[in-house]
Amino acid sequence: TQLLEQSPQFLSIQEGENLTVYCNSSSVFSSLQWYRQEPGEGPVLLVTVVTGGEVKKLKRLTFQFGDARKDSSLHITAAQPGDTGLYLCAVDSGTYKYIFGTGTRLKVLA
Amino acid sequence: KAGVTQTPRYLIKTRGQQVTLSCSPISGHRSVSWYQQTPGQGLQFLFEYFSETQRNKGNFPGRFSGRQFSNSRSEMNVSTLELGDSALYLCATRGQLNTEAFFGQGTRLTVV
Repeated sequence: TQLLEQSPQFLSIQEGENLTVYCNSSSVFSSLQWYRQEPGEGPVLLVTVVTGGEVKKLKRLTFQFGDARKDSSLHITAAQPGDTGLYLCAVDSGTYKYIFGTGTRLKVLA
Repeated sequence: KAGVTQTPRYLIKTRGQQVTLSCSPISGHRSVSWYQQTPGQGLQFLFEYFSETQRNKGNFPGRFSGRQFSNSRSEMNVSTLELGDSALYLCATRGQLNTEAFFGQGTRLTVV
């Protein structure tokens, strides 16, 4: 069974601080997605990483796929209250379903 | 291009009742998946449909069922509701060549 472990589970920081969220597994993946979910809403796709070592930037968010394609990180620079939410990593299991990480709940205080 | 539409957004039901939730996919998307999200269990896979066929099913009791219509719209049904069925039910759709799933806003089901 593929498992995606995310850390930290909870994070509360002040506006303007930087943070990194991790998504780890013992399995190798062909691609990995990051989603952000706000309370009461569905997850919104942020990015897909495909190549080992790949780095993608989305404004203040930087996503990296591990060289061995087993892990990924999400770095937020100068966090803002609007970044508050649940961050989920996800992979295609290959059997018509997604496997989601345990999630990181981020709260950015103004 | 319209996104994934789930109806209703909110629902309150009594134990023992049944409920039907609906999901309209992004135009052209034929794969529709359903997930249950609870604070304690995270996102749990229910089932996936493609061209009206269920291709995979998660570990949920038979009270949870689904179907897909020829226009790719999907419904899921939960019979004999239990308190523990209270959750956010999410629908996700994918295009044929796309590995990315796009989610609807979800249906918040509360069983009292």
